[in-house]
Amino acid sequence: GAGVSQSPSNKVTEKGKDVELRCDPISGHTALYWYRQSLGQGLEFLIYFQGNSAPDKSGLPSDRFSAERTGGSVSTLTIQRTQQEDSAVYLCASTPGQGAEKLFFGSGTQLSVL
Amino acid sequence: SQELEQSPQSLIVQEGKNLTINCTSSKTLYGLYWYKQKYGEGLIFLMMLQKGGEEKSHEKITAKLDEKKQQSSLHITASQPSHAGIYLCGADPNAGGTSYGKLTFGQGTILTVHP
Repeated sequence: GAGVSQSPSNKVTEKGKDVELRCDPISGHTALYWYRQSLGQGLEFLIYFQGNSAPDKSGLPSDRFSAERTGGSVSTLTIQRTQQEDSAVYLCASTPGQGAEKLFFGSGTQLSVL
Repeated sequence: SQELEQSPQSLIVQEGKNLTINCTSSKTLYGLYWYKQKYGEGLIFLMMLQKGGEEKSHEKITAKLDEKKQQSSLHITASQPSHAGIYLCGADPNAGGTSYGKLTFGQGTILTVHP
């Protein structure tokens, strides 16, 4: 596609429910990143994929958070048993290789946990 | 861990005015990135600085990295409403740089430009 696509753009869920957030990177981009942006914490790194493997998961805040990537393309971020503090904008970015100057960000998924 | 502090947190200027946003690091910066974000959109890369004393410009935006590589500034000349948005600085969290896209970000500066 022309850019990084994320869906849904907005998600409202009840506390305790599971949610799945999807990221479609730019075609051919081998590296994919998930970030979280919240009022209190700013923009935080969550996880990095190179191909289908995740060499750096250090930013995942708890074991309720998991992510996978299939076919070296689409990635899904799953949050189980959502809590109110999970409310944030979840941003996905991809890059054709190394170098943060080549990061292309999606518009994000605004997650609201009631 | 590296922390980035941006100032000011928000800025309101009249169109045509110059402005400066600062980004200060608790550790030496090995790669400093400036991004712009509009509400409801992703981040757009502006500039990257790596060397002490480096300065880069694009259109009316100039970014500088000090000689000690612990502070960067973003200067906008003759601001326009199109410059409005959130400006974020980001840095490689590892000494020597990571050369990939894991960055530590500042809290952002919200810029409003009144016509």
